[in-house]
Amino acid sequence: EVQLLESGGDLVQPGGSLRLSCAASGFTFTDYTMYWVRQAPGKGLEWVSSIIHSGDSTYYADSVKGRFTVSRDNSRNRVYLQMNSLRAEDTAVYYCAKERVVRGSGMAKGPFEKWGQGTLVIVSS
Amino acid sequence: IVMTQSPATLSVSPGERATLSCRASQSVNSNLAWYQQKPGQAPRLLIYGASTRATGIPVRFSGSGSGTEFTLTISSLQSEDFAVYYCQQYNHWPSITFGQGTRLEVK
Repeated sequence: EVQLLESGGDLVQPGGSLRLSCAASGFTFTDYTMYWVRQAPGKGLEWVSSIIHSGDSTYYADSVKGRFTVSRDNSRNRVYLQMNSLRAEDTAVYYCAKERVVRGSGMAKGPFEKWGQGTLVIVSS
Repeated sequence: IVMTQSPATLSVSPGERATLSCRASQSVNSNLAWYQQKPGQAPRLLIYGASTRATGIPVRFSGSGSGTEFTLTISSLQSEDFAVYYCQQYNHWPSITFGQGTRLEVK
């Protein structure tokens, strides 16, 4: 069974930093792109970042570009989100999600097949 | 790409049909997914490729459309179907965008 477990969410002051972690199990981690998606309280879903299977390519929403860094450790089946220069508007539940399509399939990447339960980040003084 | 869902809230009685709409600001071909989210839970993938049900999704959920106009239909609403539904385009990967959501509530 595919499982994703996020951790690292906390209360942090504006301008501060936080590192989120997502532990994956139940699938061949090295075959899939992974994502971070966030949801502000009472709001909709916002894609934050993507990292391909090898970690060689990463992508970011404009709202976090230059402040957030995604990485992965394929030896430990983990993906990370380093968040710097945090702002109040970064307050949200952060979800880790798994790509539906296996690498090399030729199919369009993008549906998020499985999501973790999320970890809450609150940016406030 | 801006994704616009309508209506924002839909009130339907159990057993009836629900039709939710999603419009893209430019063509996304068939690279469109639908998700269901219940309070306090993570989203769940329902439909991808505009019309293909994800694993384990009941047949009462169906998706249609291509280009800029998409529809999610729930043929006979069950109590567990009342939730918020989001559409997502991935045609312009790695730029991925979601609609603002439609809340499906009990009439």
